[in-house]
Amino acid sequence: AQSVTQLGSHVSVSEGALVLLRCNYSSSVPPYLFWYVQYPNQGLQLLLKYTTGATLVKGINGFEAEFKKSETSFHLTKPSAHMSDAAEYFCAVTHGTASKLTFGTGTRLQVTL
Amino acid sequence: EPEVTQTPSHQVTQMGQEVILRCVPISNHLYFYWYRQILGQKVEFLVSFYNNEISEKSEIFDDQFSVERPDGSNFTLKIRSTKLEDSAMYFCASSAWGANEKLFFGSGTQLSVL
Repeated sequence: AQSVTQLGSHVSVSEGALVLLRCNYSSSVPPYLFWYVQYPNQGLQLLLKYTTGATLVKGINGFEAEFKKSETSFHLTKPSAHMSDAAEYFCAVTHGTASKLTFGTGTRLQVTL
Repeated sequence: EPEVTQTPSHQVTQMGQEVILRCVPISNHLYFYWYRQILGQKVEFLVSFYNNEISEKSEIFDDQFSVERPDGSNFTLKIRSTKLEDSAMYFCASSAWGANEKLFFGSGTQLSVL
């Protein structure tokens, strides 16, 4: 079985501050890990993914995430938040080609002036 | 960038009625999915479809649900007899290589069952 846990349903940061969204996973086999972003009234868009290889992965819009097997974590970070980053962020895990993608409960990021 | 398109964007139906949600995946993709998101809750997997058959389905995807790829371009989700609890945003997604690669999501169909 596979699952992800996202700590914090809501995170608020000031513009220019560090963004840290937490994700821990559970998987009985080596996982593939993803972060998706959902802007209001839109579908989900892939931010970044980890499959194999380098554990620090860079995505779009300045986001990056680090796979830490020992901590079963895949936290999402961005050094400096922008107002346009306000959205819902979902961590997700899978382990196969056609297998389902299992999402976490999401973290709503609010960016304030 | 190519897009997955879903129609309609909003669907209102009476309890017990049948609805068909339509999706046009990206043309060269081989893997297709339906997910749903009940307001305020997480995105839930319903079903995956590959090579003209269901490859995996969740416990939500009971006998009231069915999927079809009637031609080379459309991918539909049918709910035979809708219940109040089927009210949700339904997302279609497609991928060239499967769930371990990038999924492209449509913007969703908001289904309201009255």
